[in-house]
Amino acid sequence: NAGVTQTPKFRVLKTGQSMTLLCAQDMNHEYMYWYRQDPGMGLRLIHYSVGEGTTAKGEVPDGYNVSRLKKQNFLLGLESAAPSQTSVYFCASSGLAGGGGGSYNEQFFGPGTRLTVL
Amino acid sequence: RKEVEQDPGPFNVPEGATVAFNCTYSNSASQSFFWYRQDCRKEPKLLMSVYSSGNEDGRFTAQLNRASQYISLLIRDSKLSDSATYLCVVNRWTGNTGKLIFGQGTTLQVKP
Repeated sequence: NAGVTQTPKFRVLKTGQSMTLLCAQDMNHEYMYWYRQDPGMGLRLIHYSVGEGTTAKGEVPDGYNVSRLKKQNFLLGLESAAPSQTSVYFCASSGLAGGGGGSYNEQFFGPGTRLTVL
Repeated sequence: RKEVEQDPGPFNVPEGATVAFNCTYSNSASQSFFWYRQDCRKEPKLLMSVYSSGNEDGRFTAQLNRASQYISLLIRDSKLSDSATYLCVVNRWTGNTGKLIFGQGTTLQVKP
């Protein structure tokens, strides 16, 4: 049981290049998330998915696209990388969240991808 | 103003010390509260949930004050292995989707 895995672990891009970050989970979780972490900013939600075939925007979606073609995979794409996208990217997953009563399922995070855009 | 605010520290304490971290949140619609732990260059991991009545897990005690929108984490008898960044996290529901809002973290260094 690998939990949440991310590839690649490190990447250096030039401005304008494109790339895709892959997240995979083997816990049969419905919810998946992409965050970025920058110094002094905390983790910020980029996009998320509440199930296979669905995606939604988070707090900082501009410049990113996502796809959830299979339940276990969540892809994050950068079409034209910019230096402002230099960051550490974390993927996370959680089980089906409860209703409005506030019940919650723990989010499990992948090990992160360190991306530098020159 | 950030929705979840923490003192970034660092807090430098000797082994065996008691240390407390505080966190405030601005959105009264926040419904669930957590502390996550993040080791250097690693991913965040859930440390504990925070309940209204306060809760304890070994050397760790979490408190929530909804009226003041304030969350705390107390660590007793600090160990070297407690050195990490502690993230205050709130879960805010929009419709049937919950989203985690993270504070920027408080760094703890426990020294021998």
